[in-house]
Amino acid sequence: DIQMTQSPSSVSASVGDRVTITCRASQVISSYLAWYQQKPGKAPKLLIFLASKLQSGVPPRFGGSESGTDFTLTINNLQPEDSATYFCQQAKSFPLSFGGGTKVEIK
Amino acid sequence: EVQLVESGGALVQPGGSLRLSCAASGFSFSSHYMSWVRQAPGKGLEWVAIIAQDGSDQHYVDSVRGRFTISRDNAENSLYLQMDGLGPDDTAVYFCAAFGTSSGWLDPWGQGALVTVSS
Repeated sequence: DIQMTQSPSSVSASVGDRVTITCRASQVISSYLAWYQQKPGKAPKLLIFLASKLQSGVPPRFGGSESGTDFTLTINNLQPEDSATYFCQQAKSFPLSFGGGTKVEIK
Repeated sequence: EVQLVESGGALVQPGGSLRLSCAASGFSFSSHYMSWVRQAPGKGLEWVAIIAQDGSDQHYVDSVRGRFTISRDNAENSLYLQMDGLGPDDTAVYFCAAFGTSSGWLDPWGQGALVTVSS
């Protein structure tokens, strides 16, 4: 099974800052990685798929990249509405697996 | 409008059974793998199960294999999760989601159904 290690578990940043979240896969997953945003009491929302492709309707300040088994979600120009928990998910093979989540707080 | 709506969540005693349903509308349900994902209170997301378009292929996380059964009715645009032998660790909000096989995304998601296992 593929394990996803996500860091940090939480981050606090100011409006306008850049935030970086990382997920490391325990084995090669090619680009089969997605990122989700979840706000309290709501379902997760797809932000990025295939490591770097922006889902329709998602602001371009969100971006994804990959380097080997390391994947990064970058939020540029952090906005108040970006306060949420972010999860990565691998889709290389079943069982699918998620990272532990990163809570982004606005200072 | 693309929509998934879960139902069937409830309070159930340890050892009990429950069946969750997920009604799909606004997209081609029968063309998608469908999945269940759960989230224990205050915890992260845990993938639970997935079923192929025609039901012929199913996969489960180890912790539920043999206790949970995923199924679907394409004529009714509905997905199901039969949960038997429930324990306190199964307490969670259960989400259904469509799975994009070409890219591995889960989208859209339902709003979730709360299952509480407690005596």
